[in-house]
Amino acid sequence: DTGVSQDPRHKITKRGQNVTFRCDPISEHNRLYWYRQTLGQGPEFLTYFQNEAQLEKSRLLSDRFSAERPKGSFSTLEIQRTEQGDSAMYLCASSLNRGDSPLHFGNGTRLTVT
Amino acid sequence: AQTVTQSQPEMSVQEAETVTLSCTYDTSENNYYLFWYKQPPSRQMILVIRQEAYKQQNATENRFSVNFQKAAKSFSLKISDSQLGDTAMYFCATAGNNRKLIWGLGTSLAVNP
Repeated sequence: DTGVSQDPRHKITKRGQNVTFRCDPISEHNRLYWYRQTLGQGPEFLTYFQNEAQLEKSRLLSDRFSAERPKGSFSTLEIQRTEQGDSAMYLCASSLNRGDSPLHFGNGTRLTVT
Repeated sequence: AQTVTQSQPEMSVQEAETVTLSCTYDTSENNYYLFWYKQPPSRQMILVIRQEAYKQQNATENRFSVNFQKAAKSFSLKISDSQLGDTAMYFCATAGNNRKLIWGLGTSLAVNP
């Protein structure tokens, strides 16, 4: 069990560019979550997957945001035409599909849009 | 709708003392879970303790324990024998069966030597 890993750890991009983040969950975990966290705030839910199916998307996830989990293993989160307001920490978490299974978080990807 | 309220933005405690962090919540779920997570500066979110709402017994994990008052929708975290490494943001969160966590704004805890 190597834990949840996220890549890259940091990303600096210019406004208008596209960025893609990757999350590798714990191998036996079938649920995968994306959260966004800004400084001084708690995480905000973006979306979650059960296996390859995206079961819920937050209203926060505008049409510039898309997430995939094509084979039910790793997931990608893409932001198109980035804006300065997208600057945040993007957290990925995974869990088993079981009521008592807690979420395990990765270290996050810190995005800075200049 | 689910909401979580942490009324203490910042707290401090002396090393080896005990501190209690407050959390209240509201949920329409019949079966739900409550969590405390810890986020040290620039480090990942770590689960501290969890409580299933259907269990009346308060959860305990080493120096960490909760006071779960279901009727009052209160879920406070007690840290005993505080250590310098306990310095972090502490987030209270609740989730239903879909495990989509709803978070409070956090309490910044400083443990002073």
